[in-house]
Amino acid sequence: AQTVTQSQPEMSVQEAETVTLSCTYDTSENNYYLFWYKQPPSRQMILVIRQEAYKQQNATENRFSVNFQKAAKSFSLKISDSQLGDTAMYFCAFGGGSGNTGKLIFGQGTTLQVKP
Amino acid sequence: GAVVSQHPSWVICKSGTSVKIECRSLDFQATTMFWYRQFPKQSLMLMATSNEGSKATYEQGVEKDKFLINHASLTLSTLTVTSAHPEDSSFYICSARGPGQWGTEAFFGQGTRLTVV
Repeated sequence: AQTVTQSQPEMSVQEAETVTLSCTYDTSENNYYLFWYKQPPSRQMILVIRQEAYKQQNATENRFSVNFQKAAKSFSLKISDSQLGDTAMYFCAFGGGSGNTGKLIFGQGTTLQVKP
Repeated sequence: GAVVSQHPSWVICKSGTSVKIECRSLDFQATTMFWYRQFPKQSLMLMATSNEGSKATYEQGVEKDKFLINHASLTLSTLTVTSAHPEDSSFYICSARGPGQWGTEAFFGQGTRLTVV
């Protein structure tokens, strides 16, 4: 069974600074997907970024980038030039693998506060 | 991106009654839908996976007789909480995925806050 661990329950960053959220996972699969989702106070889940395990290149989406270390089973999210609107709970999630049913396994979440 | 609409956004019901939550995919065919439960400031816990036209697959520990899931069409899945009790109060979120170009993307509804009094 897959597990996802986020060891930082809460983090804060000053506006315009950079912050990195950590995520580790455990799986015996070779082909899978990793995601970072954002859940703002509205509680709507929003996809931030997605990484396919077979791709060595780290995914980037504007101010968001990941550091994917497949051998170490690590998948951290870097937010550059933090904005007040980035304040939210962030979830790392694992998906795919053999017998892919499409379900996602979520980490515990990291609450990020961006301070003005 | 694709749109998933969940209704109602919030509901209050009396203990012992049943409540139905709807999850609709508005612009794609959702071959698979997922129901999650989330307690305050906690993670999303998968309750069940439903494929259109098939019985739902429940995660271990989830009472299938209490949480009835129906996925009768490619655009609608429903979760019925039967004989609700205060401990069923929670935030329920659905997500959906479709075949083809949607790949493994999972699109989420806006969630339903259930309060049982």
